Amino acid sequence: EIVLTQSPGTLSLSPGERATLSCRASQSLSSRFLVWYQQKPGQAPRLLFYGASTRATGIPDRFSGSGSGTDFTLTITRLEPEDFAVYYCQQYGSSRTFGQGTKVEIK
Amino acid sequence: QVQLQESGPGLVKPSETLSLTCTVSGGAVNGYYWSWIRQPPGKGLEWIGYIYYSGSTDYNPSLKSRVTISLDTSKNQFSLILNSVTAADTAVYYCARDGYYSRGITYYYMDVWGKGTTVTVSS
Repeated sequence: EIVLTQSPGTLSLSPGERATLSCRASQSLSSRFLVWYQQKPGQAPRLLFYGASTRATGIPDRFSGSGSGTDFTLTITRLEPEDFAVYYCQQYGSSRTFGQGTKVEIK
Repeated sequence: QVQLQESGPGLVKPSETLSLTCTVSGGAVNGYYWSWIRQPPGKGLEWIGYIYYSGSTDYNPSLKSRVTISLDTSKNQFSLILNSVTAADTAVYYCARDGYYSRGITYYYMDVWGKGTTVTVSS
């Protein structure tokens, strides 16, 4: 089983700041198997990126995904009020597992 | 536009069986993987298992002994059965469209989700 570890657990930032979220896999993973989701309270998760860096439909370009091997990153260049949420990475390299999530909260 | 809707009892007694159905509207189940995911209160997402339109399945090893996912293509529905539930199975349960295979390539992502249904295990 591939374990995904996300860091930090919580990121406290102000609107307009840059957010950098990490997702580390317990073993090397093809980038085509790494996905990112955003979840707001009371809502289902929303697909952000697949293949580590391919933006899903309707996702603004202030969001970017990158990484390879065991280290993957989600970056939000300038936080908008609607970006404060929990972000999950997920892998498909060995069945499916989710990271534990990173909460981006308003400072 | 494809939409998913979970349905089933919101309350299940300990040791009994949880049974949920996901109805797919606006599209067919053919060609896709379909997954169940759950989220305990205040916690993260846990993948439960998937069924491919061909009928093949895969389950989370931690739940495998208690889970069955089935598909009814005639009704455009797929279902989850979880046996011998305990309070630890209390969660919001989501169904999701989970990737597809086309022209030699498998696309891996959950792009359509239901709104989720809350299931509480309690006597």
